[in-house]
Amino acid sequence: QKEVEQNSGPLSVPEGAIASLNCTYSDRVSQSFFWYRQYSGKSPELIMSIYSNGDKEDGRFTAQLNKASQYVSLLIRDSQPSDSATYLCAVKREAAGNKLTFGGGTRVLVKP
Amino acid sequence: NAGVTQTPKFQVLKTGQSMTLQCAQDMNHNSMYWYRQDPGMGLRLIYYSASEGTTDKGEVPNGYNVSRLNKREFSLRLESAAPSQTSVYFCASSEPGHRDGIVYFGPGTRLTVT
Repeated sequence: QKEVEQNSGPLSVPEGAIASLNCTYSDRVSQSFFWYRQYSGKSPELIMSIYSNGDKEDGRFTAQLNKASQYVSLLIRDSQPSDSATYLCAVKREAAGNKLTFGGGTRVLVKP
Repeated sequence: NAGVTQTPKFQVLKTGQSMTLQCAQDMNHNSMYWYRQDPGMGLRLIYYSASEGTTDKGEVPNGYNVSRLNKREFSLRLESAAPSQTSVYFCASSEPGHRDGIVYFGPGTRLTVT
């Protein structure tokens, strides 16, 4: 079992719809969770961080964390073609010396 | 500020050749990292440096060496390149502590080993 798992996609959503991305992690003591966006041929950039259970909203993005079920999700509301990218879930794991462990990423394709 | 810079952007090596990837950051961060990214594998940590003068192995260190030259610069060396090292390499930096999951990446080096 991978430490951080994501569906590789592609997740195809029509413009204006909600894109829902999920990530599960195996290390129960993980404390910090991050979503990075990576455009094709570019480097990852942070879009959301979440540290406690519940929802955190930032513009069109909402991160949701459920530590009991060991999953973190990202919702993209009113999806735009510019949201087409790969979204990487990252978990800060004590077992990895508090360094980030990344999932394989979910490719999102927003169709006009 | 330039953020995190890397050189070269592209490189083709023959098996057995050596090379050094250069990285520098101007954000005064203490922590620096080298990741590799392969299709479907996400980002995997090769080496990291928590501060100037210290380096530690990450998830996939075999075949690599690093040098933290000063606070700004962190280089990655491939002593004898192998086709399995064909990948995209990202250097990154962060502040230590609570915000060290907020990592700033360089533009990447696309390395092909034939």
